Amino acid sequence: DAKTTQPTSMDCAEGRAANLPCNHSTISGNEYVYWYRQIHSQGPQYIIHGLKNNETNEMASLIITEDRKSSTLILPHATLRDTAVYYCIVRVNSNYQLIWGAGTKLIIKP
Amino acid sequence: DAGVIQSPRHEVTEMGQEVTLRCKPISGHNSLFWYRQTMMRGLELLIYFNNNVPIDDSGMPEDRFSAKMPNASFSTLKIQPSEPRDSAVYFCASSSGQVADTQYFGPGTRLTVL
Repeated sequence: DAKTTQPTSMDCAEGRAANLPCNHSTISGNEYVYWYRQIHSQGPQYIIHGLKNNETNEMASLIITEDRKSSTLILPHATLRDTAVYYCIVRVNSNYQLIWGAGTKLIIKP
Repeated sequence: DAGVIQSPRHEVTEMGQEVTLRCKPISGHNSLFWYRQTMMRGLELLIYFNNNVPIDDSGMPEDRFSAKMPNASFSTLKIQPSEPRDSAVYFCASSSGQVADTQYFGPGTRLTVL
């Protein structure tokens, strides 16, 4: 599976959009991009995933570049409860393995 | 749906004792995963079951660890004997097994071995 690179930490003001980048320059054509987050002392929580088209759900939007080498997770109106570690993972759809990196620690400030 | 249920939420035991962690996956899910999370190593997959059968146990640290899934609604992870280095948060996750399916995690069991 392709590896991902994420910033170690980011800050965002409450109410603003939080944009979390992820580089996956070695991604293969059949690998999906997944985003999970882990709020302190809780289990990881699925956010969104996509293959090549942009995706949106009730939690977030996922923007994947045309060459698929990078993506951005967007939390449109960040709240204090969005403070968490955010993991970007690429995974072949037939492979059960999720390879977890260190993620991005996102801190939402009032 | 209640989500993935794990018990106990916290466990404190002494070195050498047997520890059993329990997991109830989401109803209808046929894949189950046990993970361990530590500050040093992050999230690691220990074992993966599909339709109650262990498919990949290559992440199980050593023979002291064992996992079972006697039916579709219950799984256990046992450590015998426990050691201080086993202290970690253990997560159970389940998925439906469909293409590009997502894994849904339980709240975890925080294990402390003294």
